[in-house]
Amino acid sequence: DSGVTQTPKHLITATGQRVTLRCSPRSGDLSVYWYQQSLDQGLQFLIHYYNGEERAKGNILERFSAQQFPDLHSELNLSSLELGDSALYFCASSEREGPYYGYTFGSGTRLTVV
Amino acid sequence: AQTVTQSQPEMSVQEAETVTLSCTYDTSESNYYLFWYKQPPSRQMILVIRQEAYKQQNATENRFSVNFQKAAKSFSLKISDSQLGDTAMYFCAFMKVSGTYKYIFGTGTRLKVLA
Repeated sequence: DSGVTQTPKHLITATGQRVTLRCSPRSGDLSVYWYQQSLDQGLQFLIHYYNGEERAKGNILERFSAQQFPDLHSELNLSSLELGDSALYFCASSEREGPYYGYTFGSGTRLTVV
Repeated sequence: AQTVTQSQPEMSVQEAETVTLSCTYDTSESNYYLFWYKQPPSRQMILVIRQEAYKQQNATENRFSVNFQKAAKSFSLKISDSQLGDTAMYFCAFMKVSGTYKYIFGTGTRLKVLA
C-alpha cells in the first residue's frame, strides 16, 4: 500500500456521461498530480495541485477539470466522455511543490467508456 | 526541449541473471534528477531508484543499480539476480529542476523474467 488512495478502482460508463475520480494523497504530502495512461499514449501528465492551488497543467482536455480541497484530497472530473477517454488514470502525490524525490502513485482508476 | 528515449521496447532475462535496461535523455540543463519506475502487471507504479545529476556516485537500491553517464546523457538500470517478480514495465523519467519543474517519462521497456 503506497498510502495514496484512489477511488473507484474500476468505472464503466457510457459516452457523453460525466464521472468523478477521487484521490487522497499520502499523509504529509501537499502535492497531488494526475496522469492518464492509455495503451498507445504512454503516461500523459494532466495537472498538478499544491496545497489547494493549481501549479502546472499538461495535456488536459477542456472537458476535464480538477481541484484540490482543503483536506488535500483531489477530484478529477471528466465530462462529455468519448470512447478515446478510456484509460488508466493515476493520481500521485509528493511532499514538496514538485516530485523531487519521485512520485508516490495510487493504484489507479480504470475507466472504460462504452 | 527535454526528451527521454528508451530504445528497447521489450526484453527478457533468465531468472537469477543480470539485465540492463537503457535510457538516454537530451537536455541542456546541468542540474536535474533521473528516476526509474516499475509497473508490474498489477499496474501499480512504483519508484525503483533516483539519481541526482550533480552526484557522480551511481545510485543503488538492493538488486537495482544505475550506470549514470552524464556526458553521454545515459542512465541505464541494472537488475542483478533477476526474480520472477521483476517482470514489469520499466519507465525512465527525467526531471528538470531549474525554474518551473518539468517531468518527462520515457515510453517504457517491457521486461519479462523467465523461469
